[in-house]
Amino acid sequence: NAGVTQTPKFRILKIGQSMTLQCTQDMNHNYMYWYRQDPGMGLKLIYYSVGAGITDKGEVPNGYNVSRSTTEDFPLRLELAAPSQTSVYFCASSYNPGASSGYTFGSGTRLTVV
Amino acid sequence: AQSVSQHNHHVILSEAASLELGCNYSYGGTVNLFWYVQYPGQHLQLLLKYFSGDPLVKGIKGFEAEFIKSKFSFNLRKPSVQWSDTAEYFCAVYAGGTSYGKLTFGQGTILTVHP
Repeated sequence: NAGVTQTPKFRILKIGQSMTLQCTQDMNHNYMYWYRQDPGMGLKLIYYSVGAGITDKGEVPNGYNVSRSTTEDFPLRLELAAPSQTSVYFCASSYNPGASSGYTFGSGTRLTVV
Repeated sequence: AQSVSQHNHHVILSEAASLELGCNYSYGGTVNLFWYVQYPGQHLQLLLKYFSGDPLVKGIKGFEAEFIKSKFSFNLRKPSVQWSDTAEYFCAVYAGGTSYGKLTFGQGTILTVHP
């Protein structure tokens, strides 16, 4: 199993540009999440989804959008990149995080906005 | 909403020293508790978890954690650290109910182990 796959691994954007961070999982997990990780701040939830067609905001959704058209894919869209969005982005999935498995994380996307 | 606090931002130890990383959470109900580890340049991996039963849980690589309900704590321990334990460690809480599967993470503790 590939688990959770994120692309790209690295990206440099100019202010005002847009991009989509891709996330796909092959474990048939219903729950998917996008977190951003900043030094000393831990992980902050951006958006999450409890199944295809259902998404909701997390702690820090401003400047981002998501969609969940299939169980496997959960892309994160940045419409107008800002320097404050420089971060490492992790996608995660879970069958049920309240049960035994916790989350499976992707390898991350390091984004720099200049 | 629940929150998670990790007391130390950066811990520096020599090999063979004992380790204890603090984690406190704020939530009065039933919780599931996790410790994740992130090795340099890698993604987060599950180290251990507590759901119910014995409050002392053992994880991979010799790590263990103790859930003390009265103190809302879930501290991570290891009797003798190795250089390869250098990583960032995150405590996380799942509070159930309308959390819709969302884990709340602490700020992380960077552990540096000198050979």
